[in-house]
Amino acid sequence: DAEITQSPRHKITETGRQVTLACHQTWNHNNMFWYRQDLGHGLRLIHYSYGVQDTNKGEVSDGYSVSRSNTEDLPLTLESAASSQTSVYFCASSEAGRDEQFFGPGTRLTVL
Amino acid sequence: GQSLEQPSEVTAVEGAIVQINCTYQTSGFYGLSWYQQHDGGAPTFLSYNGLDGLEETGRFSSFLSRSDSYGYLLLQELQMKDSASYFCAANYGGATNKLIFGTGTLLAVQP
Repeated sequence: DAEITQSPRHKITETGRQVTLACHQTWNHNNMFWYRQDLGHGLRLIHYSYGVQDTNKGEVSDGYSVSRSNTEDLPLTLESAASSQTSVYFCASSEAGRDEQFFGPGTRLTVL
Repeated sequence: GQSLEQPSEVTAVEGAIVQINCTYQTSGFYGLSWYQQHDGGAPTFLSYNGLDGLEETGRFSSFLSRSDSYGYLLLQELQMKDSASYFCAANYGGATNKLIFGTGTLLAVQP
């Protein structure tokens, strides 16, 4: 069955370190998205991609980057982790022209 | 910027009907989606309204009024398993499905 996976599921890191969160989907969806979820803020869009080599900034993109070298993967990189980036991160994908986004299980990131 | 407003918490009893409202900003708006998220889980899609009116899917219905920049999710015959957070999300990207989410409504269903 097609699915969307994220790894790691939990990560603890130190301030200033570079961290990469993986997202992999097997639906062959063109659209992929990264969100962070914090209490009181709901889901906020970090970056998104509409296809290979396409990336766009979302609402809260500062300190994050993404790259899209193939259809299946959209890794999220925190260039220099900060305590303010402690959060739960969700990756999602959708088929172009369709309304539903499919979410991965999430990665809980703690920056100490 | 683009933002959505919805109540932070709603409480109801089993078997009852509850309505969760959502207001959004109209600039660049294509449609309104609703997602459910149980504690510790991933959001899951419930419904989408691209046109004015009511969409019904089993016990859940969703409504959109573009003229009022307003929508709601209606949950009928509430069950304990409906206790979750519910998010409205506005599509500001058309076919690219770029969503901006509301801050969520925590629904507590009591026996």
